[in-house]
Amino acid sequence: AQSVAQPEDQVNVAEGNPLTVKCTYSVSGNPYLFWYVQYPNRGLQFLLKYITGDNLVKGSYGFEAEFNKSQTSFHLKKPSALVSDSALYFCAVREDWAGGFKTIFGAGTRLFVKA
Amino acid sequence: ETGVTQSPTHLIKTRGQQVTLRCSSQSGHNTVSWYQQALGQGPQFIFQYYREEENGRGNFPPRFSGLQFPNYSSELNVNALELDDSALYLCASSSDRTDTQYFGPGTRLTVL
Repeated sequence: AQSVAQPEDQVNVAEGNPLTVKCTYSVSGNPYLFWYVQYPNRGLQFLLKYITGDNLVKGSYGFEAEFNKSQTSFHLKKPSALVSDSALYFCAVREDWAGGFKTIFGAGTRLFVKA
Repeated sequence: ETGVTQSPTHLIKTRGQQVTLRCSSQSGHNTVSWYQQALGQGPQFIFQYYREEENGRGNFPPRFSGLQFPNYSSELNVNALELDDSALYLCASSSDRTDTQYFGPGTRLTVL
């Protein structure tokens, strides 16, 4: 079965500094990975995905993620954090079956960006 | 924002009651999935509907049931509510041509 792990419950970073939110995965076959963000009282917003190809994936709001097959990691990064980036971030992996698929989420990492 | 809408926004029920949550999928999407997000956890897959048929189910009891309508909107029904059913219920839509699920804002269910 597919799974993802987010080793940090919380990440704190100062505004303007680079940020990294960590994710490792365990899959059979080729991974199909996602990052979602959740703001208070809001649903999940899609940030980016990795299917195949370039190991550096660019997404919304200046976020990017680096796929590393040897380390089975898919860390989310941003060169310069904003206070408005403070939110709950979920790493996720897709699991397929005949005719359908679901998204399996990590436990989430709360990002605090301090002004 | 996605084109996925959910109603109601909030709901309070008592143990043993029944509840129906509603979801309208994004235009062009024929697949709807439901997830339960308990406080402090990631979303957990409940089930998926494709062209009005359930085509996948997570580890949830039969008192969680659903429907999908010809316009691809969907309902989640929960019977005999338990306190542990208190959670944010998220609907996600996708299509044969999308590899990503797009989520609605969710319905916050509180069971007292």
